[in-house]
Amino acid sequence: SAVISQKPSRDICQRGTSLTIQCQVDSQVTMMFWYRQQPGQSLTLIATANQGSEATYESGFVIDKFPISRPNLTFSTLTVSNMSPEDSSIYLCSVDRGHTEAFFGQGTRLTVV
Amino acid sequence: AQSVTQLGSHVSVSEGALVLLRCNYSSSVPPYLFWYVQYPNQGLQLLLKYTSAATLVKGINGFEAEFKKSETSFHLTKPSAHMSDAAEYFCAVPSGNTGKLIFGQGTTLQVKP
Repeated sequence: SAVISQKPSRDICQRGTSLTIQCQVDSQVTMMFWYRQQPGQSLTLIATANQGSEATYESGFVIDKFPISRPNLTFSTLTVSNMSPEDSSIYLCSVDRGHTEAFFGQGTRLTVV
Repeated sequence: AQSVTQLGSHVSVSEGALVLLRCNYSSSVPPYLFWYVQYPNQGLQLLLKYTSAATLVKGINGFEAEFKKSETSFHLTKPSAHMSDAAEYFCAVPSGNTGKLIFGQGTTLQVKP
């Protein structure tokens, strides 16, 4: 298994500001994934974060809005930039084990006012 | 592209009653299928996974799921619901061999006393 710690667990932010979410894994992993869960919705993949290269973004998500860092094999950050109320969601960090099982952090509950 | 569909966004059962949450996959037989549970204000926890080794898969907390190729289904069941089972349940399938997951829409399970 993998233990994933996400910080902050929740935050209330003013529109126009940015929030950086941290994800720490207890072991080295090749890929880390960032998902968004909008209120009452399912999970949608934002991007895949690979160590040593730029993140790969899914359709509808761009680096300027969601910059990602991956400085080493156990850590990643996701920034939600220039926030608007539509960005209010749960953001989840995930890692997988050989593509056979994914583990998730507790999520960051973001409210933009 | 592979996808999963969960029929019924909300399911309500009485405590002690059978739980049945439905999930159908879209096309070719996937190598893996997953059921995740999300308790209020928490991240996702793996309930069980199908790996083609067995069609009947037993998971945690008394849940099990049966893979039926003829019906392209992987429905989740539990013989007797408990109040603590109230949560959001997601069916998921891998997106190729990338480590990404594609999630169903989710089903909210309500358990009435």
